[in-house]
Amino acid sequence: KQEVTQIPAALSVPEGENLVLNCSFTDSAIYNLQWFRQDPGKGLTSLLLIQSSQREQTSGRLNASLDKSSGRSTLYIAASQPGDSATYLCAVSEAGNNRKLIWGLGTSLAVNP
Amino acid sequence: DTEVTQTPKHLVMGMTNKKSLKCEQHMGHRAMYWYKQKAKKPPELMFVYSYEKLSINESVPSRFSPECPNSSLLNLHLHALQPEDSALYLCASSQEGAVTYEQYFGPGTRLTVT
Repeated sequence: KQEVTQIPAALSVPEGENLVLNCSFTDSAIYNLQWFRQDPGKGLTSLLLIQSSQREQTSGRLNASLDKSSGRSTLYIAASQPGDSATYLCAVSEAGNNRKLIWGLGTSLAVNP
Repeated sequence: DTEVTQTPKHLVMGMTNKKSLKCEQHMGHRAMYWYKQKAKKPPELMFVYSYEKLSINESVPSRFSPECPNSSLLNLHLHALQPEDSALYLCASSQEGAVTYEQYFGPGTRLTVT
């Protein structure tokens, strides 16, 4: 059974720092992996999607990598800003069941001015 | 346009009420989803519609009744809910037959059952 773990559960950094959020999954037979952002009480915003055949995706200050064989993904945020404060969720879909996402519990990020 | 809209934003209902949540997308997506999210937890999948037909029901109690009247619209009808059903209800959509099946989420409806 696929399980997704996110470390750390919470992170507090000063503004301007580069930071890395980690996501691991137990079964490497994934279809894709998505990183989402959620502000308190709000919906989810899709940040990056990496297909199983890809190694990384970039969008602005965000870079997500995928190492399927070791069951790991990282989300790198460069030059963090207070507006980056949110919960970041990682989710994988599995080959053969690509509509159902299996979620991590998220990393709660606080960027302090 | 990558927007999924949901109405209402907030809903308070008694346990004997009947109410409906509405979700709309105009991205031409043919898969639509309902999720339930409790505080500090990830979303839990409830239902998936594909080409307006129910394709996944995650053993959701019958007091939740989904409906997909057309390819742009998804409803969730609520009846005789319990206080533990209070949560954020999220709608999402994705393109069927696409390479990625990337899911796009709406802002959610905050439901309180009294």
